[in-house]
Amino acid sequence: DVKVTQSSRYLVKRTGEKVFLECVQDMDHENMFWYRQDPGLGLRLIYFSYDVKMKEKGDIPEGYSVSREKKERFSLILESASTNQTSMYLCASLEHLYSSYNEQFFGPGTRLTVL
Amino acid sequence: RKEVEQDPGPFNVPEGATVAFNCTYSNSASQSFFWYRQDCRKEPKLLMSVYSSGNEDGRFTAQLNRASQYISLLIRDSKLSDSATYLCVVQGGKLIFGQGTELSVKP
Repeated sequence: DVKVTQSSRYLVKRTGEKVFLECVQDMDHENMFWYRQDPGLGLRLIYFSYDVKMKEKGDIPEGYSVSREKKERFSLILESASTNQTSMYLCASLEHLYSSYNEQFFGPGTRLTVL
Repeated sequence: RKEVEQDPGPFNVPEGATVAFNCTYSNSASQSFFWYRQDCRKEPKLLMSVYSSGNEDGRFTAQLNRASQYISLLIRDSKLSDSATYLCVVQGGKLIFGQGTELSVKP
């Protein structure tokens, strides 16, 4: 079974705090993703990484940064959390970027509340 | 125009009903198409890929219409356990998710 795990299910932080969200996958997938999911807006891609130390901006990278030092781990960093970053954060991994046959596997999500 | 659009619903249907979801996409160069299912407070999981010739998996049928740039999902004989949000996903250079269509199947 592919497993994507996220460090926390629920997190409460204060405005201005630095926040780290960790994601680990155990299937040796090259591609990893961070999304946020908000009601009515669906999943929006923040950043993705197609290899160690490689990253690409998604649709909404502002206010976020990422780190991929090891293949299995992809971290999302909020340098200075703001209330509009309150959301559900989902990490995902994918074996091949361009294939009709592969599945993107998601972690259980981290519900972040910024007060 | 959004790159991927779905009717957000909710669709409220009785058990046994047939329900169809549509999803339109704007990038004609899109190559791969998927339907994901997301249960309440859970992560999305792949339901089925959508192939050019259409494909069926039990009560679920997926269709692709490239000319009109839409994909569809048909659920026959709805079960209570089908209640979830259904996300369409389109892959061109990147994976793009629709906002999801909520389905509620009632007894």
